[in-house]
Amino acid sequence: QPVLTQPPSASGTPGQRVTISCSGSSSNIGSNVVNWYQQLPGTAPKYLMYSNNQRPSGVPDRFSGSKSGTSASLAISGLQSEDEADYYCAAWDDSLNGVVFGGGTKLTVL
Amino acid sequence: QVHLVESGGGVVPPGRSLRLSCAASGFAFSTHGMHWVRQAPGKGLEWVAVIWYDGSKTYNGNSVKGRLTISRDNSKNTVFLQMNSLRAEDTTVYYCAKDRWDCVTNTCQFLDSWGQGTLVTVSS
Repeated sequence: QPVLTQPPSASGTPGQRVTISCSGSSSNIGSNVVNWYQQLPGTAPKYLMYSNNQRPSGVPDRFSGSKSGTSASLAISGLQSEDEADYYCAAWDDSLNGVVFGGGTKLTVL
Repeated sequence: QVHLVESGGGVVPPGRSLRLSCAASGFAFSTHGMHWVRQAPGKGLEWVAVIWYDGSKTYNGNSVKGRLTISRDNSKNTVFLQMNSLRAEDTTVYYCAKDRWDCVTNTCQFLDSWGQGTLVTVSS
């Protein structure tokens, strides 16, 4: 079972805003930053968001992130068909001494 | 640009061993931590292990402790994953990933570049 909890699925229509949540505990999200990864169908994961709300170069500003306490969220505004992918949150866990991932959220653009 | 190429995957009987390699290029390999992450078919990502920039420290995920060992050769810009006593549940795609940091100046949790993965199938 994944240490971080994400909803298994999310959906929206083009142009809408969608939010994906990620819940953890004091040993991971509560004491470390959260990073997000996007995995398009049939491809390797891609670094999408780091340190809670920072976008790597090349990631559109339609993507934003936030963290509060032991939870984090990824928001996608102006949803586009190419955003259809699996999204994973991750953080370092001080108790496990390792990176923990969420179970992933499959985003469908209707 | 950063290029990570995994190799060594294939079909292996249960109980046997296998060593994966990840050849890195396009960045200063010896100054970055490196990770292995795996993904079973149709499933989510599972972190496997991390190694410090100089190989001085490693950490493993709980599900693989004692069986999967990460190492690196900075003279060859390569990171390895030695897998022993393989089980059916080790059947996954294995990705290597570069960390943004060396693991000393910052926690190694920023997997900013990923390889395309190599498939390991454990089956008799």
